[in-house]
Amino acid sequence: ETGVTQTPRHLVMGMTNKKSLKCEQHLGHNAMYWYKQSAKKPLELMFVYNFKEQTENNSVPSRFSPECPNSSHLFLHLHTLQPEDSALYLCASSQEFVGGSQETQYFGPGTRLLVL
Amino acid sequence: QKEVEQNSGPLSVPEGAIASLNCTYSDRGSQSFFWYRQYSGKSPELIMFIYSNGDKEDGRFTAQLNKASQYVSLLIRDSQPSDSATYLCAGTSPYNFNKFYFGSGTKLNVKP
Repeated sequence: ETGVTQTPRHLVMGMTNKKSLKCEQHLGHNAMYWYKQSAKKPLELMFVYNFKEQTENNSVPSRFSPECPNSSHLFLHLHTLQPEDSALYLCASSQEFVGGSQETQYFGPGTRLLVL
Repeated sequence: QKEVEQNSGPLSVPEGAIASLNCTYSDRGSQSFFWYRQYSGKSPELIMFIYSNGDKEDGRFTAQLNKASQYVSLLIRDSQPSDSATYLCAGTSPYNFNKFYFGSGTKLNVKP
């Protein structure tokens, strides 16, 4: 596979469930990101990992828990979510910052999450 | 204040016309800017990036950056119905180049 992949593509969960979203990048990048996209809202950055170290946590509630075991894989663990957490969750990756095109972020197809 | 602002549109242009999409940013220290296209129900895909003042052309697309006025634009020449999508402008934080600020996007409709 090439690029950035995400699984599952669609997820329906109850508020008491625990689930995980998976992201994998095949681009040799060192930075990975989780974004949330809700209807008619800008993309919201949630977490940034650079060389497996979390460098950004954008005031995300603790019911979202990221995990980055290596530079190619990123997980988002979900538990006790709320209906307002329903959104498209996008993973992205980029190379280590050097300048210019090295910053470009490439997105996965996203996971459409519905919390009932 | 939003770091990156865009007019939500929709912007409607006839097929073959030039579509002009604009974006302003608030932090003068932002270095690099990106235009992404997002079709409904799909993830954003990169169209162009620009980090030097002036114009950058790639096929039918031209990105323009004016750091003094803090705006970025994207021109699409010979617009096609397949260009109909939401266009997202993004800029990097001057303090953390891994951190992008995205605008809310401009919806473009190209009418046949």
